[in-house]
Amino acid sequence: AQSVAQPEDQVNVAEGNPLTVKCTYSVSGNPYLFWYVQYPNRGLQFLLKYITGDNLVKGSYGFEAEFNKSQTSFHLKKPSALVSDSALYFCAVRDIGDDKIIFGKGTRLHILP
Amino acid sequence: EAGVAQSPRYKIIEKRQSVAFWCNPISGHATLYWYQQILGQGPKLLIQFQNNGVVDDSQLPKDRFSAERLKGVDSTLKIQPAKLEDSAVYLCASSRSGSRGVSGNEQFFGPGTRLTVL
Repeated sequence: AQSVAQPEDQVNVAEGNPLTVKCTYSVSGNPYLFWYVQYPNRGLQFLLKYITGDNLVKGSYGFEAEFNKSQTSFHLKKPSALVSDSALYFCAVRDIGDDKIIFGKGTRLHILP
Repeated sequence: EAGVAQSPRYKIIEKRQSVAFWCNPISGHATLYWYQQILGQGPKLLIQFQNNGVVDDSQLPKDRFSAERLKGVDSTLKIQPAKLEDSAVYLCASSRSGSRGVSGNEQFFGPGTRLTVL
């Protein structure tokens, strides 16, 4: 069965600095990997996904993520953080052979002015 | 395109009462999902439909929860009777994904229904 871990409950970054939100996964086969963002009182919004191909995936709002098969990681990154990036971020994984998608518990990102 | 619609946005009920939530997915999306998101946790899949058929309901507490998508479009999720631990946000999502194993499409989420059980 697949699983996903977000080891940090909260990440604090100063505005303008690079940010990283960590995600590791476990699947029996090849993964589909996703990042979503949730703002207060809103549903989840899709940021980016890895299906196949280039390990560096670019998404919405300047975010990107790097798929690392050997480390089974899919960390979310942004070169320069904005205060408006403050939100709850979820990593999700789906095994290619299975329709079920599993979400991590989420990481709260605080960008400090 | 219009997003995923959900109603109501908020609901407060007493334990042992019944409640129903409605979801209208994005037009043309074959797959519809209901998730439960408890405060401080990630969304947990309750049930997944493909058109009007159930793909996965392994985490649905079937003694009290039920869901249907009769015409393969909109869907309702019902809780009867509600318990205190059902207090959560119920999220509906849809995706273009179709047949099993070809599931690389992202999901589009509605705003959710916040349920409080007193």
